Amino acid sequence: EPEVTQTPSHQVTQMGQEVILRCVPISNHLYFYWYRQILGQKVEFLVSFYNNEISEKSEIFDDQFSVERPDGSNFTLKIRSTKLEDSAMYFCASSGSKTQYFGPGTRLLVL
Amino acid sequence: AQSVTQLGSHVSVSEGALVLLRCNYSSSVPPYLFWYVQYPNQGLQLLLKYTSAATLVKGINGFEAEFKKSETSFHLTKPSAHMSDAAEYFCAVSVRNNNAGNMLTFGGGTRLMVKP
Repeated sequence: EPEVTQTPSHQVTQMGQEVILRCVPISNHLYFYWYRQILGQKVEFLVSFYNNEISEKSEIFDDQFSVERPDGSNFTLKIRSTKLEDSAMYFCASSGSKTQYFGPGTRLLVL
Repeated sequence: AQSVTQLGSHVSVSEGALVLLRCNYSSSVPPYLFWYVQYPNQGLQLLLKYTSAATLVKGINGFEAEFKKSETSFHLTKPSAHMSDAAEYFCAVSVRNNNAGNMLTFGGGTRLMVKP
């Protein structure tokens, strides 16, 4: 069964550093998403992406964040200058229709 | 705008007992509704979904949920809990329109504990 994959599974970085989180969506899906879950809190929507552009973003998704589909298979989330409060589990999801399928997540720890 | 409320952040049941996890939603337009399960140190796995077909929806692992528009609810049930059901369960809503790329709004989650 096809699934969404994410790398790395864990990432530790210093405050102010750039990080890139990678996702490989399900191959025939057209819609891609990033969500995050701060420890002990709700899963929160960050951004959705379709046809090589952002289709929707939340207020969390500020200028420090960007997304890209660089090569037709990967979907990346970049955080330019990480802050302590960016520490969270980041989930990628993809959908072909109305149902989103999630990857296993990347746990980001900013020190 | 949509919102989801899951009553009870922790629910504990005995093995073999009925599982009932509550979800109420608020949406200004007809919703799609989903339940996801998260096992420890894993991602979100789709359990079941309501996307405008039958109001009683059956999912994996013996779970089902019923969409009740009058009560704005989508409670998750399972007749007999198993130890392997111990996990965190998330209810989520998205708007119903022709655009498949709609954001999900999640509830706060309910941690289900199953006692032997």
